[in-house]
Amino acid sequence: KAGVTQTPRYLIKTRGQQVTLSCSPISGHRSVSWYQQTPGQGLQFLFEYFSETQRNKGNFPGRFSGRQFSNSRSEMNVSTLELGDSALYLCASSLAGVDEQFFGPGTRLTVL
Amino acid sequence: KQEVTQIPAALSVPEGENLVLNCSFTDSAIYNLQWFRQDPGKGLTSLLLIQSSQREQTSGRLNASLDKSSGRSTLYIAASQPGDSATYLCAVPDYNTNAGKSTFGDGTTLTVKP
Repeated sequence: KAGVTQTPRYLIKTRGQQVTLSCSPISGHRSVSWYQQTPGQGLQFLFEYFSETQRNKGNFPGRFSGRQFSNSRSEMNVSTLELGDSALYLCASSLAGVDEQFFGPGTRLTVL
Repeated sequence: KQEVTQIPAALSVPEGENLVLNCSFTDSAIYNLQWFRQDPGKGLTSLLLIQSSQREQTSGRLNASLDKSSGRSTLYIAASQPGDSATYLCAVPDYNTNAGKSTFGDGTTLTVKP
C-alpha cells in the first residue's frame, strides 16, 4: 500500500510570490490535515479536509488556503509569501480524521 | 484547549540502555494518543497508537502506556540502539471538533551513543 506523498519536496521562493503544495493520501483515506513545522513553534495545525469539505481551520492568516479533490488529493496554497512562511509543511492522512494518522515526507519551503 | 507537554526536551543515553519518554496532556477526554518518530528534516513516522480504552500497546522494542485519568503517556524503549536517535513526538486528536486536528508536544530529542 503506497504511503502519503507530497510534492514538491523542496521549494525556494521570494517574498511576495505564491506557492502551491500537493498531498496525495493513502488510498481509501478521506481526511487530509496540513501542518506547518518550524523550530520555534513546533507543529501547528493549518486545516483539515474531508470529502472535499474543510472541516477545521487553525489560526493562520487568510493567505493560507487549501482544497481537496474528489480523489482525496489535497493542495494548499500560500499567497504573498513572507520570510516567516519558511517551514516544513506536512500533510497527514487518515480514514476519518480522529484515527491513526500517517504523514508524508513534507515539503521544505524556503522564502528569500 | 488541549495542551501537550513532553519532558525531557532532550535525552542522551549509551547504547543498550532502556529508557522512558514522557507525554502529558491536560484534557483527559481523548479518542487516542499517537507516538511518532521524526528524523531531521523528514516527515513523521507513526510508532504506536493507543486507543482511549487501552492501557498499553507494544511493537517490538517499543511499549506505550496510557493513563487517561492522570493525563499521561509513556513510551518505553528497550535496549536502545544508535538507530533509535531521533525526535519522538506524541499527539492527541482534538476531541471537541472531531475533525482532523491533533495537538502535538514539542518532542523529546533522543541521542543514543555507540
